[in-house]
Amino acid sequence: NAGVTQTPKFQVLKTGQSMTLQCAQDMNHNSMYWYRQDPGMGLRLIYYSASEGTTDKGEVPNGYNVSRLNKREFSLRLESAAPSQTSVYFCASSAQGPDTQYFGPGTRLTVL
Amino acid sequence: ILNVEQSPQSLHVQEGDSTNFTCSFPSSNFYALHWYRWETAKSPEALFVMTLNGDEKKKGRISATLNTKEGYSYLYIKGSQPEDSATYLCAFPTGGGNKLTFGTGTQLKVEL
Repeated sequence: NAGVTQTPKFQVLKTGQSMTLQCAQDMNHNSMYWYRQDPGMGLRLIYYSASEGTTDKGEVPNGYNVSRLNKREFSLRLESAAPSQTSVYFCASSAQGPDTQYFGPGTRLTVL
Repeated sequence: ILNVEQSPQSLHVQEGDSTNFTCSFPSSNFYALHWYRWETAKSPEALFVMTLNGDEKKKGRISATLNTKEGYSYLYIKGSQPEDSATYLCAFPTGGGNKLTFGTGTQLKVEL
């Protein structure tokens, strides 16, 4: 039982490049989330998926897209990376929206 | 917009000190209040989920209380140890209960 897994762990991109961050959970959770962590800003929600087949914008969605591929997987795509997207990205899942969230190990992304 | 506020922003204590911090949240339409512990370079981990007014939860030397009528929760750490150094986050269900809104956290540093 791996919980929530994220790939890659680290990534360096050049401005304008694209990439997809992958997230998977094996807890049969309905809800999944993408956050970014920046110094002094805490956790900010980018997008979430309350259930398979639905996605919604969070607090800071600009520059990102998501796909809830199936119940297990929720990916985050940066189409044209910008230095402002340098951050640590966390994926999380929960059984339902208001329940305890379980976090992945994070992806540290640097955009040059 | 529903805000979750935490105070203080940071706290330095000596080993053995007891400490507490506050989470304030909207008292209307209360559903639950979450506490998470977030160590540097790791992922947030759930401590407590509190749902009833007057609720008190305990995990080792850490305990939390809840007042839903006035909209606050206290987290207490008794006899702080260096391994308690972390950021403590509280979170509140929003978006129709489909997501959590996190406070910016209280950063605790316990010194020898």
